[in-house]
Amino acid sequence: EPEVTQTPSHQVTQMGQEVILRCVPISNHLYFYWYRQILGQKVEFLVSFYNNEISEKSEIFDDQFSVERPDGSNFTLKIRSTKLEDSAMYFCASSKTEVNTEAFFGQGTRLTVV
Amino acid sequence: DQQVKQNSPSLSVQEGRISILNCDYTNSMFDYFLWYKKYPAEGPTFLISISSIKDKNEDGRFTVFLNKSAKHLSLHIVPSQPGDSAVYFCAASARETSGSRLTFGEGTQLTVNP
Repeated sequence: EPEVTQTPSHQVTQMGQEVILRCVPISNHLYFYWYRQILGQKVEFLVSFYNNEISEKSEIFDDQFSVERPDGSNFTLKIRSTKLEDSAMYFCASSKTEVNTEAFFGQGTRLTVV
Repeated sequence: DQQVKQNSPSLSVQEGRISILNCDYTNSMFDYFLWYKKYPAEGPTFLISISSIKDKNEDGRFTVFLNKSAKHLSLHIVPSQPGDSAVYFCAASARETSGSRLTFGEGTQLTVNP
């Protein structure tokens, strides 16, 4: 069964460093997303991406964050200068269409900022 | 953000009995609702969804009920199995105002005892 894959599974980085989280969405899906879950809190929407551009972003997704689809398969989330409060599980997801369809999630990348 | 709320952090049921997980929402623009299951160290896995034009959707052991007037939905699992033990998240989207962005509840930890 097709699945969303994320790498790495765990990333430890020093505060102020840049990190890139990588995702390979399901191949025939057109919409891509990043969500995060801070420990003990809700899963929160960060950004959605379609046709090589951001279609929506939350208030969390500030100038420190960026997304890119550098080739036909990868979808990346970059955090330019990490802060302690960026420590969270980051989930990539993809869906076939935008509406009335479920999003399929990857297994997540645990980001720890020290 | 309290737009989607799961008031029960945990639920324990006996194998073979019915599990009922509840979810309330406040945003009247929500028109598509989903339930996800999550095991530790994995991403959310889609279970079942329902459009606001329906009041019930069934898939095998899983049934979702939607009461729009009460802004309430529930997930019924019958019969419950030990493998159903996981965190269950309710999620909602509002196509007109925020496309495919999902807003999640806090989650309910379901434990099914053999």
